[in-house]
Amino acid sequence: NFMLTQPHSVSESPGKTVTISCTRSSGSIASNYVQWYQQRPGSSPTTVIYEDSQRPSGVPDRFSASIDSSSNSASLTISGLQTEDEADYYCQSYASNNHWIFGGGTKLTVL
Amino acid sequence: EVQLVESGGGLVKPGGSLRLSCAASGFTFSSYSMNWVRQAPGKGLEWVSSISTGRNYIYYADSVKGRFTISRDNAKNSLYLQMNSLRAEDTAVYYCARESSSPENFDYWGQGTLVTVSS
Repeated sequence: NFMLTQPHSVSESPGKTVTISCTRSSGSIASNYVQWYQQRPGSSPTTVIYEDSQRPSGVPDRFSASIDSSSNSASLTISGLQTEDEADYYCQSYASNNHWIFGGGTKLTVL
Repeated sequence: EVQLVESGGGLVKPGGSLRLSCAASGFTFSSYSMNWVRQAPGKGLEWVSSISTGRNYIYYADSVKGRFTISRDNAKNSLYLQMNSLRAEDTAVYYCARESSSPENFDYWGQGTLVTVSS
């Protein structure tokens, strides 16, 4: 199985933009969709991005995502940061052996 | 309203067993693959196991293969995880999650149930 590597933590000020990366260790990032989940403290995860770049209804358009084959990575970008965005973010993708792979998670601090 | 409610967690000694349940409501349970995902204290998410709608396809993470068994009862709208030969490293909050194939994602999660393996 491949691994999905995320930065352990990122921080930024309210109103700014932050990007969280998710790098696939082997195989193409484009070969399977990437999802992003938000987990606020004490809560269950919720989807903020599915299928690489799609936003579920109810997720603000401040959340966007993309994949980059040249760096074999996916990125989640949150613009106009708000204090409510402070949470852990996880990327996820599907492996060829029918296993789901999660990234290690990134703790976002909105200073 | 879609609801997933886990139960069955608790304190168990190393080597012991526990059976988790996930009661589903608000959707046609038999139409969705289901998953168990766990989260050790202060750690990230780890996928544990998945089961297809008709139980034809069952998969396990290497860390639990041979010790855990996933099952479902579509008539009872319930998902289960039988955990045997438990180890300290199995200590975690266990979530059940509904898997949507279109669009692809785990679109609903339960609130989780805590399993603590300790002597």
